[in-house]
Amino acid sequence: DTAVSQTPKYLVTQMGNDKSIKCEQNLGHDTMYWYKQDSKKFLKIMFSYNNKELIINETVPNRFSPKSPDKAHLNLHINSLELGDSAVYFCASSPGYRGHEQYFGPGTRLTVT
Amino acid sequence: TQLLEQSPQFLSIQEGENLTVYCNSSSVFSSLQWYRQEPGEGPVLLVTVVTGGEVKKLKRLTFQFGDARKDSSLHITAAQPGDTGLYLCAGVELGGYQKVTFGTGTKLQVIP
Repeated sequence: DTAVSQTPKYLVTQMGNDKSIKCEQNLGHDTMYWYKQDSKKFLKIMFSYNNKELIINETVPNRFSPKSPDKAHLNLHINSLELGDSAVYFCASSPGYRGHEQYFGPGTRLTVT
Repeated sequence: TQLLEQSPQFLSIQEGENLTVYCNSSSVFSSLQWYRQEPGEGPVLLVTVVTGGEVKKLKRLTFQFGDARKDSSLHITAAQPGDTGLYLCAGVELGGYQKVTFGTGTKLQVIP
């Protein structure tokens, strides 16, 4: 059983395009996250949702828009893709937002050409 | 934003050797987590340390939280090829939403 799943696994697209990444968790967790991991493997939080409510919004360009239709899903839409958006994007979930352990998805490798 | 510096950045050792990875910050954390990430996968939690000075053991891995809760270390005894991966520490901030901030990472390669 996959706990946190993301689609697609790989995404190759051209500059200026709009793309979405989907995430689902079947752990019954209340909190979900989006992280960006750059080429140096640094993992940085982008957004966090608790019970569908946005609670953490780091300094992320407004071209990135997360959407949480329900507690089990958190999608990431990116408009007008730029070269610098190339990275691996991880979705994660946790039982709550107060420093609980996080369960990560397998990641989506986004390449912008 | 609180910063967590890990050292060394890269480590390549022979099977059977011992090693220590350090995670340092100038900030105090509520707790500290250690994750391991293998290529093409997401990080997986190894342990959480909560109390200053706490030591936790997971088979050949020993984790310690600094007395002042600003730093942590991971010691691996008799490293195995299966220990190869990216090790990430993650500090849980005090107060507020207790955001988790990840360290800069240590890439470990254990050669058979």
